[in-house]
Amino acid sequence: GESVGLHLPTLSVQEGDNSIINCAYSNSASDYFIWYKQESGKGPQFIIDIRSNMDKRQGQRVTVLLNKTVKHLSLQIAATQPGDSAVYFCAERPRYSSASKIIFGSGTRLSIRP
Amino acid sequence: GAGVSQSPSNKVTEKGKDVELRCDPISGHTALYWYRQSLGQGLEFLIYFQGNSAPDKSGLPSDRFSAERTGGSVSTLTIQRTQQEDSAVYLCASSLVGAGGPGGSPLHFGNGTRLTVT
Repeated sequence: GESVGLHLPTLSVQEGDNSIINCAYSNSASDYFIWYKQESGKGPQFIIDIRSNMDKRQGQRVTVLLNKTVKHLSLQIAATQPGDSAVYFCAERPRYSSASKIIFGSGTRLSIRP
Repeated sequence: GAGVSQSPSNKVTEKGKDVELRCDPISGHTALYWYRQSLGQGLEFLIYFQGNSAPDKSGLPSDRFSAERTGGSVSTLTIQRTQQEDSAVYLCASSLVGAGGPGGSPLHFGNGTRLTVT
């Protein structure tokens, strides 16, 4: 079946450096992708989304890159801060599915070294 | 403004008992979703509502699980005859319209209900 997975289950980054969290997806028909941040004891928090007709989108300190050729999605966080420590999930909407079913990956934990 | 509200935040129940989990979506959001998250895992899709109807309930694990939504607002997820494998965090999300697509919008999550079945 289809899946959304992550290359690295954990990522440790020096405070102030840039972080790159990667995600591979298997469904080439997916047309909508989202990144979420989840802190302990809380629900996932929306970070940024991108549609398949784009290959890059920028937000505040975050950039999402989409490479449809290799079915790869990445989240770049600039100047990583202690408050960025969390688990990050990528999610996709397979176009073949119902209009609104979103499939989540298993997550990457980002830890910040002082 | 107020976000998605879920209650209770924690629920401990004995195996075999029924439980009801409640979700109050963001006002004006037409779409509502239920997901389940086991410890250290990703989110497992359960069911999705558009208004009061459920176009996609493909993720419900068994017939012990059911959900309803009334008045296009509050939703309840009911688990009958709970089993230990039902222990998880149950997350509710809402979006202004269905996620994805030209008019889509992202999901906004509540903090979940942590269900423990003993």
